[in-house]
Amino acid sequence: EDKVVQSPLSLVVHEGDTVTLNCSYEVTNFRSLLWYKQEKKAPTFLFMLTSSGIEKKSGRLSSILDKKELFSILNITATQTGDSAIYLCAVEAQAGKSTFGDGTTLTVKP
Amino acid sequence: NAGVTQTPKFRILKIGQSMTLQCTQDMNHNYMYWYRQDPGMGLKLIYYSVGAGITDKGEVPNGYNVSRSTTEDFPLRLELAAPSQTSVYFCASSYSMGRPIVPTDTQYFGPGTRLTVL
Repeated sequence: EDKVVQSPLSLVVHEGDTVTLNCSYEVTNFRSLLWYKQEKKAPTFLFMLTSSGIEKKSGRLSSILDKKELFSILNITATQTGDSAIYLCAVEAQAGKSTFGDGTTLTVKP
Repeated sequence: NAGVTQTPKFRILKIGQSMTLQCTQDMNHNYMYWYRQDPGMGLKLIYYSVGAGITDKGEVPNGYNVSRSTTEDFPLRLELAAPSQTSVYFCASSYSMGRPIVPTDTQYFGPGTRLTVL
């Protein structure tokens, strides 16, 4: 059975802090790993990772994948209150089937 | 483009009632999905479809049915509602080239349906 584990489950930081969110996985036939941000409603896409060691960046957010150790990290630098959300990691191991982790709830205090 | 739309936004059902959650996408995506999200949890895949006329079970299909008669629509049917089906339901769609090693593109999610079964 495919498994995706995120840590920590929740995190409280202050504005300006840097955070690292973790996602480890055990799947057969890995195809891709995706990060999503979920605020009050539906998840929105952040990154798709398919190759080890290649960092993807978007503003203050970055992510990298290690296919040998089976994990990914999502970094957020200089956090802002607008970064408060649930961050979801999902792994596609078979066409059309993604397994999601339980998410990390990030709270950024002013 | 409207993207992925879902109706209704909210619904309260009594135990044993039936209902259909509607999902439509206008992005010509071949793949569509139904997830449920319980409080404090990630998304669990209920059913998915790789094209019109083709559906398959996800992790938690019991108590649900789907159909995919067109590319655009992917309704989810609850036949005999139970309190355990109280959840937020998300529909999503994506594009896939359908090749063995090529990842499916990111999924686009609808706004969700909050369902309560009492």
